[in-house]
Amino acid sequence: GQNIDQPTEMTATEGAIVQINCTYQTSGFNGLFWYQQHAGEAPTFLSYNVLDGLEEKGRFSSFLSRSKGYSYLLLKELQMKDSASYLCAVRDRTNAGKSTFGDGTTLTVKP
Amino acid sequence: GAVVSQHPSWVICKSGTSVKIECRSLDFQATTMFWYRQFPKQSLMLMATSNEGSKATYEQGVEKDKFLINHASLTLSTLTVTSAHPEDSSFYICSATWQATYGYTFGSGTRLTVV
Repeated sequence: GQNIDQPTEMTATEGAIVQINCTYQTSGFNGLFWYQQHAGEAPTFLSYNVLDGLEEKGRFSSFLSRSKGYSYLLLKELQMKDSASYLCAVRDRTNAGKSTFGDGTTLTVKP
Repeated sequence: GAVVSQHPSWVICKSGTSVKIECRSLDFQATTMFWYRQFPKQSLMLMATSNEGSKATYEQGVEKDKFLINHASLTLSTLTVTSAHPEDSSFYICSATWQATYGYTFGSGTRLTVV
């Protein structure tokens, strides 16, 4: 099975940097994903990590340490539109490739 | 990029009736689609894995006779909520993977309200 933990809520200021952490336990790791979900909408893909290290994509970066079962999503130059829920998801190598989602971190960006 | 089209976006139905939700992969073939349900302020809960040409695999606690899944072609999967009750009111979302490194592409979701 899989167990994923991430903070429930975070607040940050426009223009700042925020880091959202995710820890996981899995029996067959095959990739970690971050998704953004605005209220009332479906999630959208942000990033993918399968090897240790940092993946950078514009204002968003994601880091993975497989040995520690740890990832973080880094958002730079925060904008008001970044207020959303951020979901950490782990894909299972042994279970038809399905992903298990964390409960999500609700980020509120204030002026 | 890959697109998954989901319909309807929202539906209100009477208790006891059935509702069908469709998901189509528009520019890729999806041998596998996943169906999720999300209650307000909660995360996505996997209901079932839909495989083209075979029976769906349901997660523990999900009634397969109530949530009928059909994946008759490589581009279409349907979820039918049978004999809907108010407690079935939720946000239903389908997803598919078109490339291993891209994660899921989600449909736009269907908000079901049973009255």
